[in-house]
Amino acid sequence: SQELEQSPQSLIVQEGKNLTINCTSSKTLYGLYWYKQKYGEGLIFLMMLQKGGEEKSHEKITAKLDEKKQQSSLHITASQPSHAGIYLCGALRGGSQGNLIFGKGTKLSVKP
Amino acid sequence: KAGVTQTPRYLIKTRGQQVTLSCSPISGHRSVSWYQQTPGQGLQFLFEYFSETQRNKGNFPGRFSGRQFSNSRSEMNVSTLELGDSALYLCASSLEGGSPLHFGNGTRLTVT
Repeated sequence: SQELEQSPQSLIVQEGKNLTINCTSSKTLYGLYWYKQKYGEGLIFLMMLQKGGEEKSHEKITAKLDEKKQQSSLHITASQPSHAGIYLCGALRGGSQGNLIFGKGTKLSVKP
Repeated sequence: KAGVTQTPRYLIKTRGQQVTLSCSPISGHRSVSWYQQTPGQGLQFLFEYFSETQRNKGNFPGRFSGRQFSNSRSEMNVSTLELGDSALYLCASSLEGGSPLHFGNGTRLTVT
């Protein structure tokens, strides 16, 4: 079965620093979703990548999809305390669009 | 537009009891999915409903069931609760055609 591995598991950065989170799939990626979660709350949709080489940006967050490497990266520029949370990548498992497999998440802390 | 609404927000139940959780999707969304989130297993897919029909089901025992009503609202039921059912239960809705899932804030279920 497909698995998504995220790295690092946790990250502590100083405010203003850049950072990258990776998500690697054990199988071919047909679509990759990035979500952010505050502890104990729901997931907030960040970006969806569907094609190899696709890159999307929203405010200071950029995500890329490398189909050949079966990997996606999420890059945050000039991090702020508001970026703190758990970042999760999800991929279509197949069968229907509501059935996603998720990575275990990357916990990001930003020190002011 | 209102987001996905889940009720109740918190629940405390005793082993052996049953529980019903409710989810109201974003207006116009006909697909509703349910996920269980635990520290050990992460996010795991329970089932997906579309137009009142279960479209997909995850690997959970028959104690977990759900349904969807004609207005797309959904409920999930867990019977004969076990301690291991303690988790954050998340509902997500989406439009058709590969659109991303939008999650509610979840119901935190504690089984004692």
